[in-house]
Amino acid sequence: DAGVIQSPRHEVTEMGQEVTLRCKPISGHDYLFWYRQTMMRGLELLIYFNNNVPIDDSGMPEDRFSAKMPNASFSTLKIQPSEPRDSAVYFCASSLEGGGGTEAFFGQGTRLTVV
Amino acid sequence: ILNVEQSPQSLHVQEGDSTNFTCSFPSSNFYALHWYRWETAKSPEALFVMTLNGDEKKKGRISATLNTKEGYSYLYIKGSQPEDSATYLCAFWAGTYKYIFGTGTRLKVLA
Repeated sequence: DAGVIQSPRHEVTEMGQEVTLRCKPISGHDYLFWYRQTMMRGLELLIYFNNNVPIDDSGMPEDRFSAKMPNASFSTLKIQPSEPRDSAVYFCASSLEGGGGTEAFFGQGTRLTVV
Repeated sequence: ILNVEQSPQSLHVQEGDSTNFTCSFPSSNFYALHWYRWETAKSPEALFVMTLNGDEKKKGRISATLNTKEGYSYLYIKGSQPEDSATYLCAFWAGTYKYIFGTGTRLKVLA
């Protein structure tokens, strides 16, 4: 397996534009997580899915953020409209099971810059 | 609110020194504690998966211990090398299946 794949790797967009980040988890993994990396908070959990169903989105900062997982092999994180303070690295991770018996595997991240 | 704290935030040691850092987590609703190593411009990679109180894991010069009753885990590096320089993260699996990361300890090993 190629691991968790995120796209794009880098995104530069203008304030007010819609941004869509994409993630392909490792095949067979039941859990998918979206994190945002910031200097102040480190890796901040935004939302996670179990078997394609969103379980907890309490970390999503505002209504401008939304995430979907239409099938087991694809998830998106959308920001609409984007703002400069959304600039960060966004990571997607997947895990084989819940409960912590196995570790999470991370994608390479998407570096988002909103100007 | 689940709080996972790591200390120290950053650390500089000389090559050959041994060092350790701490991860503190809620002692209730414990499922697992994971340690990751995160090098600059890369993504985090797992070091240890720890699920039982009293667990001790070892990988080369790096080892970790776990105390679930008091809510802490230690990561030890023996004889630090420059290539050990990275951020070390712990992650806590809670009973709600939330997976929460600490803010990490940034280690710099000076040659």
